[in-house]
Amino acid sequence: ILNVEQSPQSLHVQEGDSTNFTCSFPSSNFYALHWYRWETAKSPEALFVMTLNGDEKKKGRISATLNTKEGYSYLYIKGSQPEDSATYLCAPSRYGNKLVFGAGTILRVKS
Amino acid sequence: EAGVTQFPSHSVIEKGQTVTLRCDPISGHDNLYWYRRVMGKEIKFLLHFVKESKQDESGMPNNRFLAERTGGTYSTLKVQPAELEDSGVYFCASSPLRGLDGYTFGSGTRLTVV
Repeated sequence: ILNVEQSPQSLHVQEGDSTNFTCSFPSSNFYALHWYRWETAKSPEALFVMTLNGDEKKKGRISATLNTKEGYSYLYIKGSQPEDSATYLCAPSRYGNKLVFGAGTILRVKS
Repeated sequence: EAGVTQFPSHSVIEKGQTVTLRCDPISGHDNLYWYRRVMGKEIKFLLHFVKESKQDESGMPNNRFLAERTGGTYSTLKVQPAELEDSGVYFCASSPLRGLDGYTFGSGTRLTVV
């Protein structure tokens, strides 16, 4: 059983602030780590899939890092905008297996 | 390329009734997953099809839930009889058989049992 912890549970920031969230997961039998962005009533949107220890990925103002040895991943948003408001979900997986989601971090960006 | 389509988008039913949710995956995606998010909690795995075969149904809560994927194309998830605690958002996702592409999710069916 994978126990996935995301922190903080929620975050309120001002437009222009940079922010980061943490995803912690068991490092044993690790295969891949997925980050999703989800707005209510829409499909969760895939942001990143990472597999290797030390992986860093970037998509616009959003980036993520992965540490498979200690079992954590950080998601960074630089210069937050109101449209970044969403729930950010991480989900590790073991090979050939389903995603196991954390409870998510709710981000609200005020203009 | 069409995405993952789920129908209906919303459903409100009375306790004891039956509801059938449908998911049309991306064409050619052999993997199809059902997930559920109950209010305020994390998205939880229900089951996984590879083509028409159930690969893993360990997340199905009880025998009131029945999933099928006849012909390996679209899938249905039937809840019979529905209970109040079944309320939530039911997501479907699909992915190719091989590779590390992130799963593509549908926008979900919001089920409310009253």
